[in-house]
Amino acid sequence: DAEITQSPRHKITETGRQVTLACHQTWNHNNMFWYRQDLGHGLRLIHYSYGVHDTNKGEVSDGYSVSRSNTEDLPLTLESAASSQTSVYFCASSDPGQETQYFGPGTRLLVL
Amino acid sequence: GENVEQHPSTLSVQEGDSAVIKCTYSDSASNYFPWYKQELGKRPQLIIDIRSNVGEKKDQRIAVTLNKTAKHFSLHITETQPEDSAVYFCAASGQTGANNLFFGTGTRLTVIP
Repeated sequence: DAEITQSPRHKITETGRQVTLACHQTWNHNNMFWYRQDLGHGLRLIHYSYGVHDTNKGEVSDGYSVSRSNTEDLPLTLESAASSQTSVYFCASSDPGQETQYFGPGTRLLVL
Repeated sequence: GENVEQHPSTLSVQEGDSAVIKCTYSDSASNYFPWYKQELGKRPQLIIDIRSNVGEKKDQRIAVTLNKTAKHFSLHITETQPEDSAVYFCAASGQTGANNLFFGTGTRLTVIP
């Protein structure tokens, strides 16, 4: 069955380290999104992509980057992890013209 | 950009009662309004959505209403059950033609058996 997966599911890292979170979907969706979820803030958009080689900044993009080299994957990189980036990260995807977004299982990141 | 506000932040109801969660949005161009349910430790999952050309949509015990003039939409859950306990998020699509969603801050619903 088509699905969207994230890895790792849990990650502990140290301040200043580079971290990459993976997102992979098999629906062949062009649109992919990264959100972070923090108590009291709901889901906030970090970066998004509407297709291969397309990337855009979201509401809270500082300290994060993405690249889109194929349809299936949108990895999220924290260039130099900070304690403020401790959060739960969700990846989502959707078809163009179909606004419904489907979420991955999430990655819980702790930055010490 | 779009700003979505959601109330209340917490809601407790007795099993069998109804629950109502309300959201307002700022961008009059928004035309798609989904609701997601998130159980503890799980991913958000779509439970119902509505588009701007419709005023109300119902799916069994769940209904959503939309008032475009007032820029608000609501989720109604009737005959609540303990398994309805979760965090519910509303969202709005923002600018017409864009595929991004802007989320409210969530409502934690507790159904008391």
